[in-house]
Amino acid sequence: DADVTQTPRNRITKTGKRIMLECSQTKGHDRMYWYRQDPGLGLRLIYYSFDVKDINKGEISDGYSVSRQAQAKFSLSLESAIPNQTALYFCATCNSYNEQFFGPGTRLTVL
Amino acid sequence: ILNVEQSPQSLHVQEGDSTNFTCSFPSSNFYALHWYRWETAKSPEALFVMTLNGDEKKKGRISATLNTKEGYSYLYIKGSQPEDSATYLCASRNRDDKIIFGKGTRLHILP
Repeated sequence: DADVTQTPRNRITKTGKRIMLECSQTKGHDRMYWYRQDPGLGLRLIYYSFDVKDINKGEISDGYSVSRQAQAKFSLSLESAIPNQTALYFCATCNSYNEQFFGPGTRLTVL
Repeated sequence: ILNVEQSPQSLHVQEGDSTNFTCSFPSSNFYALHWYRWETAKSPEALFVMTLNGDEKKKGRISATLNTKEGYSYLYIKGSQPEDSATYLCASRNRDDKIIFGKGTRLHILP
């Protein structure tokens, strides 16, 4: 059973649409992260959370928002999607040893 | 903003040979250095977390060292096998808990 799950796994949408990506974890970790990965670039941090209702901006938070209403869930929203938000999105949790555990990724395409 | 650099970007190694690659990071405000193994179509998997200058970690044929004073870490693979083919990511975490990933070293093991 996967400990960190992401839904959907793939999504194609149009410019201007609102999109929500969900992340769930059964690891009981307090810390959760959202990253995006683009070809030729490393993973870039969008937002992170240390606990329920705690929200922190990462390197590239513009155009995104997040919600952490429960320890197990951390959702990422694109209020009005644009083509340069086409990317592979990863959610991750972090344990007390600072090891991160990644979800399977969500491939988002914005037309 | 931290700048994490990995070299080489890509590497081809004959099966059975040993290899190593580098991750460099700013040493100021440093907290931890992470190494991940990322196979194609999968999620990154944690290999090592190191925090202290001189730390050395080992997992099977893979080992890593850390020099926090000069800001670099080496990852070594002894006796490369086909299953070692992957992208190896390093990430630096600072004392404000910000994490910056390098772009990775893509390792190809030749039969």
